[in-house]
Amino acid sequence: GIQVEQSPPDLILQEGANSTLRCNFSDSVNNLQWFHQNPWGQLINLFYIPSGTKQNGRLSATTVATERYSLLYISSSQTTDSGVYFCAVESNTGNQFYFGTGTSLTVIP
Amino acid sequence: SAVISQKPSRDICQRGTSLTIQCQVDSQVTMMFWYRQQPGQSLTLIATANQGSEATYESGFVIDKFPISRPNLTFSTLTVSNLSPEDSSIYLCSAYRDGSTGELFFGEGSRLTVL
Repeated sequence: GIQVEQSPPDLILQEGANSTLRCNFSDSVNNLQWFHQNPWGQLINLFYIPSGTKQNGRLSATTVATERYSLLYISSSQTTDSGVYFCAVESNTGNQFYFGTGTSLTVIP
Repeated sequence: SAVISQKPSRDICQRGTSLTIQCQVDSQVTMMFWYRQQPGQSLTLIATANQGSEATYESGFVIDKFPISRPNLTFSTLTVSNLSPEDSSIYLCSAYRDGSTGELFFGEGSRLTVL
């Protein structure tokens, strides 16, 4: 199956700082999504981004499918950004989504 | 987007028993999936719930342990059988509507503790 690795595994930021999270995947994929899992466990869709760049407020994402990676940028981080960020890729042999290893983000005031 | 409701939201079960989790989507969806998230870990795909036919299981998951039903395009159940403490996890239902933006959506999960 597809291997999805995320880095860094853990990240601690001062409020207001910027960060970049990376997602590498081992094979061609149809689609890619970024999720935020809040401290209560709810998974929230951030971006559906099979290729190109998207922005939503302080967050933006870029996927370079030909090089098998995606980046999530968080600018001016806030304490509410804390939680775990996952990327998930859709296999090109079916419709299954496989999740990455996750990045645990803590933003301190 | 799709609204996905799961129940129970949490349960505590005795070893050797079974638990059935229900997943209801507010609109018809093409694909439904079940995931497991063990404490501190990422999400692992258990199976694809196929409407009107047997589920498609990922490596390491078998029908006898995780029987799945999907009688229609809005509803699915996952049963975790013969429970052991190692089954203590969050189980999440997800859905995907083909032909839309292709985004995957999740229910709030069912937190299972096995004593």
